[in-house]
Amino acid sequence: EAGVTQSPTHLIKTRGQQATLRCSPISGHTSVYWYQQALGLGLQFLLWYDEGEERNRGNFPPRFSGRQFPNYSSELNVNALELEDSALYLCASTPLDRGHYEQYFGPGTRLTVT
Amino acid sequence: AQRVTQPEKLLSVFKGAPVELKCNYSYSGSPELFWYVQYSRQRLQLLLRHISRESIKGFTADLNKGETSFHLKKPFAQEEDSAMYYCALRHGSGNTGKLIFGQGTTLQVKP
Repeated sequence: EAGVTQSPTHLIKTRGQQATLRCSPISGHTSVYWYQQALGLGLQFLLWYDEGEERNRGNFPPRFSGRQFPNYSSELNVNALELEDSALYLCASTPLDRGHYEQYFGPGTRLTVT
Repeated sequence: AQRVTQPEKLLSVFKGAPVELKCNYSYSGSPELFWYVQYSRQRLQLLLRHISRESIKGFTADLNKGETSFHLKKPFAQEEDSAMYYCALRHGSGNTGKLIFGQGTTLQVKP
């Protein structure tokens, strides 16, 4: 089975710009999660989408947003980029029958803000 | 506030030695805890969950509600166990997908 895919692998932006990160879940998985892994901060929950709706968000400002498409793929948008947004952004998906705890992670998108 | 703490950034042991990766949590409800692992150049993946009470790759973890801990243990470490280990807590009940992760502990098993 193909795993969770994310694109691009690397993204370099300048402060103030917008970044768009994409995630394709495993076929049959309807929930998508986004996490930020900044240096020294571990993984921090960003957003959770299920069946096209935002179900929960972490303690991040509104300039972090996203959406889930009818095919369950997802997009994370970060507006007005700041230097501290530089991080690895991980996407994960879960199957319906796993109670949302077994999250399958993608390889991540490394965002660098200069 | 819900929180997961892994006090050690790095744990270095020799092959064959016992391993204990510490995890403490803070949670007001009934906790559901997990260990995730990331091997070199691989993706983060679920290792085990406390509800299943199973042993995976020789690792076990027992939830101790009195000490609010969920330490990961293995009696005899192998070199292939070298990886980054994350303890995680599921926030909320039912079908909620928010996981709160600890900072992670790098386990280095020396030959």
